[in-house]
Order: sequence, then C-alpha cells, then structure tokens
Amino acid sequence: QLQLQESGPGLVKPSETLSLTCTVSGDSISSSNHYWGWIRQPPGKGLEWIGSIYYSGSTYYNPSLKSRVTMSVDTSKSQFSLKMSAVTAADTAVYYCAESRPGDGYFGFWGQGRLVGVSS
Amino acid sequence: QPVLTQPPSASASLGASVTLTCTLSSGYSNYKVDWYQQRPGKGPRFVMRVGTGGIVGSKGDGIPDRFSVLGSGLNRYLTIKNIQEEDESDYHCGTDYGSGSNFFWVFGGGTKLTVL
Repeated sequence: QLQLQESGPGLVKPSETLSLTCTVSGDSISSSNHYWGWIRQPPGKGLEWIGSIYYSGSTYYNPSLKSRVTMSVDTSKSQFSLKMSAVTAADTAVYYCAESRPGDGYFGFWGQGRLVGVSS
Repeated sequence: QPVLTQPPSASASLGASVTLTCTLSSGYSNYKVDWYQQRPGKGPRFVMRVGTGGIVGSKGDGIPDRFSVLGSGLNRYLTIKNIQEEDESDYHCGTDYGSGSNFFWVFGGGTKLTVL
C-alpha cells in the first residue's frame, strides 16, 4: 500500500520561500506508474491543485501559481518536494502531497496534510 | 479550462438518501469527474470517478456499496443511500484536463454534508 507523508516548517514569514517534502513508501518513486502532486486547502475552503511531477522530472503547474512554484524529485531519498516563493498570508493552508496514475487521472493516495501558516 | 460548481452545503437524515451534484462548465459535457470524501480533520480520499455512462473504473478502497454515481449532461452526481453518521464529510469533485505535455487538475468548491 502506497503511503505518503509531508514534512516541513509549519510557519513561514511573508515574502520568504515555503519548502515542503513528501516521503513516499510502498513503491518506488522512480516508477513510471505514478505522478506525484501537491494540493492545498486554505482554512475553511476547497482544494486547489498546485502542481504535479513525473519520475522523469516533467512538471505540470497550476498556471495561477506557476511563477512561484518549483517541484523536484530526490530518488535517493524517495522524496519529492515543493518550493513556493514570495509567500503571503493567502498561502496559509493545509498542504497535501498525493499520487495519481497515468491514464487514471484521479488522486488515489494522499498524505495526512501539513498546515503551513504565513505570518511575521 | 473547465470550472466545477458544487452547492456549499447539503443535509440528510440518518438512514435517508442524498444526492450531491457537481456541475461542469459549458463545453465540457464529455469530461469525467472524480469524487473525494474528506472527513473532519482528515485528508481527502478517493470515492470514485464518473462519466456520462456512470462509474469509470473501480471505487476507492473501503467505499461501501451505499455510494453510487451517475452522469448526465454537465452534471455528475454522487448518491449516498442509508446515510450513516460516518458519512458526514466534505465532498469534493475534481477533474483533469489537457493532454501531452500540458495537463492540469481543477476542483470544485466542495459540499459540506451534514447528517441530521
């Protein structure tokens, strides 16, 4: 069974860079059977897709966030990461890492989520 | 890009049935939609995918038979029969779009289901 776990600071200062890591277990992060994604949920609001990355390094970003987002994969640690620059209070949210399969489309496995606040 | 619209809230009595609706924006009537359940304080979990022909593929792990889907026109429905207390959750719909080197995911605003 695939398992994902987010980690990273729970508080980031405005204008700085948010950095989160997702550790994957249960299958190889290098497998061609998975896309790895980040989704966030501001308090009391709906889900927003941030971006996804394939094992090959191909990335797909939400156009509204693309200028501030970078995703990468570290196969040696079985981790993928998210960096979001120039954060503001509007970026305060629970950040989830999740998995989807090529051809299926849906996010079948999710991490438990990491609450990140943006405040000075 | 498609826009998904969901009513913000719904309610149903214990043991009754409820149908939740996700509406695609005009021009996207052939799109499939994924339903996710999010219990209070938890992360989302995949329920099932629905197209105009009904369920696409399999239900998510542990999703009971009480959950079913239908699709018609721009609407994608999730019906829950014999509602239980544990069904009280936020229900989100989402879809992927694009192809090749460019594809994206979008979600609706979610519907909060209250069990009375």
